[in-house]
Amino acid sequence: TQLLEQSPQFLSIQEGENLTVYCNSSSVFSSLQWYRQEPGEGPVLLVTVVTGGEVKKLKRLTFQFGDARKDSSLHITAAQPGDTGLYLCAGKDGSSNTGKLIFGQGTTLQVKP
Amino acid sequence: DTGVSQDPRHKITKRGQNVTFRCDPISEHNRLYWYRQTLGQGPEFLTYFQNEAQLEKSRLLSDRFSAERPKGSFSTLEIQRTEQGDSAMYLCASSLAGTVGEKLFFGSGTQLSVL
Repeated sequence: TQLLEQSPQFLSIQEGENLTVYCNSSSVFSSLQWYRQEPGEGPVLLVTVVTGGEVKKLKRLTFQFGDARKDSSLHITAAQPGDTGLYLCAGKDGSSNTGKLIFGQGTTLQVKP
Repeated sequence: DTGVSQDPRHKITKRGQNVTFRCDPISEHNRLYWYRQTLGQGPEFLTYFQNEAQLEKSRLLSDRFSAERPKGSFSTLEIQRTEQGDSAMYLCASSLAGTVGEKLFFGSGTQLSVL
């Protein structure tokens, strides 16, 4: 069974601080996605990383896929209250040709003004 | 907006009752997924369809759960004889098979509370 472990599970920081969220597994994934979810809503895709070692930037968010495609990180620079939400990593099984995703348990981020 | 639509948004029911949820995917998408999410956790895969065929079901899906996608468009998820442990957010997602980095687009979910 493939599992994704996210850490930390909860993070409360002040506006302007930097943070990193980690997503780790003992399994290899063909790709990994990061989602952000607000209360009462479905997850919204932020980015997909496919190649080992890949780094993608989305404004103040930097995403990295590990060289072995087993782990990923999300770094937020100068966090803002609008970044508050549940961040989920999700991996796609390389042996499957479906879009089925395995999700981590999520990291709840609270950014205080 | 032509995103994924789920109905109802909220459902409160008594234990033992049956409930049915509906999902309307993005019109050109041929794959449809159902996930379940409990508070503070990530979504867990339940089942998926390609067109009208149900191709995979999770072991999480007990025989009280049934899903259909009769014409390869909208889908329904029915839970019979609901239990308190069924309380969760039920999420539907759709995608287009064969696209590079196949992306799932999620609906806003149906929040089920079983009293």
